[in-house]
Amino acid sequence: EPEVTQTPSHQVTQMGQEVILRCVPISNHLYFYWYRQILGQKVEFLVSFYNNEISEKSEIFDDQFSVERPDGSNFTLKIRSTKLEDSAMYFCASRVGLVSEQYFGPGTRLTVT
Amino acid sequence: AQSVTQLGSHVSVSEGALVLLRCNYSSSVPPYLFWYVQYPNQGLQLLLKYTSAATLVKGINGFEAEFKKSETSFHLTKPSAHMSDAAEYFCAVSGANAGNMLTFGGGTRLMVKP
Repeated sequence: EPEVTQTPSHQVTQMGQEVILRCVPISNHLYFYWYRQILGQKVEFLVSFYNNEISEKSEIFDDQFSVERPDGSNFTLKIRSTKLEDSAMYFCASRVGLVSEQYFGPGTRLTVT
Repeated sequence: AQSVTQLGSHVSVSEGALVLLRCNYSSSVPPYLFWYVQYPNQGLQLLLKYTSAATLVKGINGFEAEFKKSETSFHLTKPSAHMSDAAEYFCAVSGANAGNMLTFGGGTRLMVKP
């Protein structure tokens, strides 16, 4: 069964460093998302991406964040200068159509020290 | 704007007992509703979804949920709990807009006692 994959599973970085989290959505999916879950808190929407552009973003997704689909398979989330409060589990998700369910990847645990 | 409230951050049941996890939503548009399960150190797995078809929705692992518009609820039930059901459960809502992001509730941790 096709699945969303994410790499790395765990990333440790120092405050102020740039990180890139990678996702490979399911191949025929058209809508892509990033969410995050700070330890012990709810899952929060960051950004949605369709047709090579951002379709919606939350207040969390400020100028420090960017997303890219550099080729036909990868979907990346970049944090330019990480802060301690960026420590969280980051989930990538994709869906084939506008009303279909979102399939989630296993997540990348980002720890900022 | 959309929001989801899950009553009870922790629910404990005995093995074989009824599972009832509560979810109430707020949405300015006809909602699509979802239940996801998260096992320890894993991602989110879809249990079931409501997308304006039948109001009683059956999902995987014996779970089902009923959409009640008048009560703005989408409670998750399972007649008989198994030890393997112990996990965190998230209710989520989305609309039919271009972004169509999911808005999640705070989650309910289900514990199953032997």
